[in-house]
Amino acid sequence: QVQLQESGPGLVKPSETLSLTCTVSGYSISSAYYWGWIRQPPGKGLEWIGNIYHSGNTFYNPSLKSRITISVDTSKNQFSLKLSSVTVADTAVYYCARVVATIAPYFDYWGQGTLVSVSS
Amino acid sequence: SSELTQDPAVSVALGQTVRITCQGDSLRSYYASWYQQKPGQAPVLVIYGKNNRPSGIPDRFSGSTSGNTASMTITGAQAEDEADYYCKSRDSSGNLMVFGGGTKLTVL
Repeated sequence: QVQLQESGPGLVKPSETLSLTCTVSGYSISSAYYWGWIRQPPGKGLEWIGNIYHSGNTFYNPSLKSRITISVDTSKNQFSLKLSSVTVADTAVYYCARVVATIAPYFDYWGQGTLVSVSS
Repeated sequence: SSELTQDPAVSVALGQTVRITCQGDSLRSYYASWYQQKPGQAPVLVIYGKNNRPSGIPDRFSGSTSGNTASMTITGAQAEDEADYYCKSRDSSGNLMVFGGGTKLTVL
């Protein structure tokens, strides 16, 4: 059974960098698939952040591209998200998920999500 | 603003059929996937591809596409189907991903 688990600080100060890690179990991240990040501000909808392949190939949401870095560590079976220069608008539940990269890609496994609040 | 448009809220009587729609130009080229999200929980994939359900998703859930509109139908809605539903597809460039704004389904 594939499982994903997000981890990282629950509170980040404005202008600082948000850093989250997704640990994958039950599947080798280096085998195949893309791996993605999605976020959801409180009371709002889902927003795609970006995806990464085990080779390091990335795709980012243009609205966030200048501030985000997604990386992968196959030795730890993890992938990570860094979001710089955060503001209160970046307060959200952050999810990691596995991407089935077909012509119509979809997220088949999701982490439980982790709430990150941006506040001084 | 989202490139995929969903009605914010839809209601259905218990046991009746409901269709939740998602509009966007990219849907002329790419199928949508659909996600169910209950309060405090992570989204769950319910429909992907032309009309496929992951293991464990009841067969009362189905999907279809016509032109620029993707639809997810629940035939015989149950109380446990009350949730937010999101469509997702590629963006108009075909390179990136985008979610619809979500539809809150109420089962009466």
